[in-house]
Amino acid sequence: SSELTQDPAVSVALGQTVRITCQGDNLRSYYASWYQQKPGQAPVLVIYDKNDRPSGIPDRFSGSSSGNTASLTITGAQAEDEADYYCNSRDSSGNHLVFGGGTKLTVL
Amino acid sequence: QVQLVQSAAEVKKPGASVKVSCKASGYTFTSYDINWVRQATGQGLEWMGWTNPKSGSIGYAQNFQGRVTMTRDTSISTVYMELSSLRSEDTAVYYCARGPTGNDYYYMDVWGQGTTVTVSS
Repeated sequence: SSELTQDPAVSVALGQTVRITCQGDNLRSYYASWYQQKPGQAPVLVIYDKNDRPSGIPDRFSGSSSGNTASLTITGAQAEDEADYYCNSRDSSGNHLVFGGGTKLTVL
Repeated sequence: QVQLVQSAAEVKKPGASVKVSCKASGYTFTSYDINWVRQATGQGLEWMGWTNPKSGSIGYAQNFQGRVTMTRDTSISTVYMELSSLRSEDTAVYYCARGPTGNDYYYMDVWGQGTTVTVSS
């Protein structure tokens, strides 16, 4: 079973703000990274080091962390943001990685 | 540009092995880890393990211990992932992904295009 827990599905109205969460005890020690995956495509890194964005990722994507919960926030969601989102972090041993189960984001 | 290019799709019979390659270009091959992640159809991402191309050190997820082997050939900037004793549940898309060696706050910033492995009798 995954050490990182995500809600299976979240929806947001076009232009509104949505937060996707990821819970796990290992997040008290390690930041999560976040990945966006669209159907038939490889995952794309959208947030790392808690709140850094790779080049090319819009600034409407942001990350935060508190206690055992990491969050990905999309401020002003766009239709193209509809995708699956996965969090990832080191596991409790620190020597391996683990993914959350993923959250399917629907933009209404 | 920085990229990881994976080998073509494979079809294997149960009990066989498969070896997938991941060729790096556009950066210093030995400066980053290579991770392997798989995804069964309609399922989530599953981390399989990593290798450090410089040292050859490896780490495998517990689910794959004893069945997976990750190796590298630095002369051609390529990492390999071999999975043995294949079963139908191993049918999935396998990705390689680059990660920052030694970084506590880990992430995977460059991904290969994925290799579909189908296990069928």
